[in-house]
Amino acid sequence: LAKTTQPISMDSYEGQEVNITCSHNNIATNDYITWYQQFPSQGPRFIIQGYKTKVTNEVASLFIPADRKSSTLSLPRVSLSDTAVYYCLVGPQGANDYKLSFGAGTTVTVRA
Amino acid sequence: DAGITQSPRHKVTETGTPVTLRCHQTENHRYMYWYRQDPGHGLRLIHYSYGVKDTDKGEVSDGYSVSRSKTEDFLLTLESATSSQTSVYFCAISETGQPYGYTFGSGTRLTVV
Repeated sequence: LAKTTQPISMDSYEGQEVNITCSHNNIATNDYITWYQQFPSQGPRFIIQGYKTKVTNEVASLFIPADRKSSTLSLPRVSLSDTAVYYCLVGPQGANDYKLSFGAGTTVTVRA
Repeated sequence: DAGITQSPRHKVTETGTPVTLRCHQTENHRYMYWYRQDPGHGLRLIHYSYGVKDTDKGEVSDGYSVSRSKTEDFLLTLESATSSQTSVYFCAISETGQPYGYTFGSGTRLTVV
């Protein structure tokens, strides 16, 4: 999997938008960008995945520029319950890719 | 999470004793994984399985062994527990192995004293 770099921590307040940027300069042509979210005392859960441009679902948006060397996870109007660790992973889709590795992630703390 | 259960949820054991953690799934997924999570290290892959009796090592496999005799169960064994194996252990399952499709259990907090 391509190496990724993301901030260790971010603080925000309720109602604000949180943007987490992940750098992945060595991303390969067939790599996808995947984000997981982990709440305290729980296992991670998948939140969004993209290949290029923009992807949006009920939880977040993922923005990927044309060169794909970085991506930004956007959490709109966060609440206290969005306090979690967010992991950025970059790797290929395919039958042989079955070993996800998670780095330290970005700890997002939302305050009232 | 629905479909995946880890047991026990908490365990305290003494150095040098064997410990087995169990991961049970009801989803009939092919892939199963064991991770450990420590402060500052994120989740690190210990072992994984891509089918019954088919297992392989992850990045931190020393001191751990696994077994998968049935699709639904994946066991992680610490042959002789050490204090460095104090951690939170997560099991995950995946139907296809694709990056978007992992489902994690609730974790087992293991303390080795």
